[in-house]
Amino acid sequence: ETGVTQSPTHLIKTRGQQVTLRCSSQSGHNTVSWYQQALGQGPQFIFQYYREEENGRGNFPPRFSGLQFPNYSSELNVNALELDDSALYLCASSLVGQGGIEQYFGPGTRLTVT
Amino acid sequence: AQTVTQSQPEMSVQEAETVTLSCTYDTSENNYYLFWYKQPPSRQMILVIRQEAYKQQNATENRFSVNFQKAAKSFSLKISDSQLGDTAMYFCAFSHNAGNMLTFGGGTRLMVKP
Repeated sequence: ETGVTQSPTHLIKTRGQQVTLRCSSQSGHNTVSWYQQALGQGPQFIFQYYREEENGRGNFPPRFSGLQFPNYSSELNVNALELDDSALYLCASSLVGQGGIEQYFGPGTRLTVT
Repeated sequence: AQTVTQSQPEMSVQEAETVTLSCTYDTSENNYYLFWYKQPPSRQMILVIRQEAYKQQNATENRFSVNFQKAAKSFSLKISDSQLGDTAMYFCAFSHNAGNMLTFGGGTRLMVKP
């Protein structure tokens, strides 16, 4: 197990609603990345936060937004939920700029949009 | 943009035997990082092995080793002495900067049979 935690574990929302997912990074890590993993597929990069600033973004619309806090924990917010947003959302932490190479993943939040 | 392709959606192997999972990628970068991640059923994604492109020597971690062919843009994973606990989805991933955005392949589902 990595030291990355996510909450909640599961979530059911209705189309059009808004959702906030949370991630606590591994101790000492300064960067959090978020990924969307649809059923049976590989994860897709949403965005990354480094020292509280967005540090790269994948091909996701602006209704996907995020925050990183001074303790390096992070939130992913999704507005105006669509059925296709149903997926496993993974966060991963890393230590950028100080020799860290790999990302360490949390257990994920399973979001179902009905 | 980088792409990662895993051409084997599913594979199976008998316990104690050896299996090789394939991965090819496309990039114009000269320096980058390659990873194999394991995602057991309903469990956290964990790093299996990593390879820095500037290193010619193939990475090895216990029963896991890679065959990195930079010119061919190929990065296969060999699992020796397969164990039941190796049953999982395996994802090949690419990053052009340490700790930054990962591009994943579609995954290979590996079943180890007793």
